[in-house]
Amino acid sequence: NAGVTQTPKFRVLKTGQSMTLLCAQDMNHEYMYWYRQDPGMGLRLIHYSVGEGTTAKGEVPDGYNVSRLKKQNFLLGLESAAPSQTSVYFCASSYGGQAYEQYFGPGTRLTVT
Amino acid sequence: DQQVKQNSPSLSVQEGRISILNCDYTNSMFDYFLWYKKYPAEGPTFLISISSIKDKNEDGRFTVFLNKSAKHLSLHIVPSQPGDSAVYFCAASPNSGNTPLVFGKGTRLSVIA
Repeated sequence: NAGVTQTPKFRVLKTGQSMTLLCAQDMNHEYMYWYRQDPGMGLRLIHYSVGEGTTAKGEVPDGYNVSRLKKQNFLLGLESAAPSQTSVYFCASSYGGQAYEQYFGPGTRLTVT
Repeated sequence: DQQVKQNSPSLSVQEGRISILNCDYTNSMFDYFLWYKKYPAEGPTFLISISSIKDKNEDGRFTVFLNKSAKHLSLHIVPSQPGDSAVYFCAASPNSGNTPLVFGKGTRLSVIA
């Protein structure tokens, strides 16, 4: 089992460019999540999904879109990147919500110049 | 408004001594709590959890204590080892519905040999 994988690991974007981050999990988990981690801010939830075809907004959804067309994949899109989106992005998945532990990917470090 | 607070950004402990990491929460609907550990350049990994029906859960060197009346939990690591040096995140959720975990900002633990 690869667990949760994220593509790419690093990316540098110019302001206004767009990109998609891919998250894949092979654990047949229903729930998937996208977080960003910034210094001193902990993990902040961007969007999440409770099953294939569903998405919901988290704490900081502005400037991001997501799609869950397949159960094993959760895509995070930045339509027009801004320097404020410079961050480390983590994807996670879990069997269920609440009491089920989340399994995290290794992260994607994104820099927007 | 932070619902999960980790008021100590950092903590240094001598190897072999006890490490105590604290976490406070404000939402009385939270009834499931987890601790995650994060090494640099890696995703967080689940460490230990506790349900509100308990006041203590132990797993090897790690023990989590929950004081519901004070809305406070703590993670004890004894004895502390240099490999425990990492950022520790406290997380909480209500045990119903689809509400995702809420994370604290983390505490960086340094165990000095």
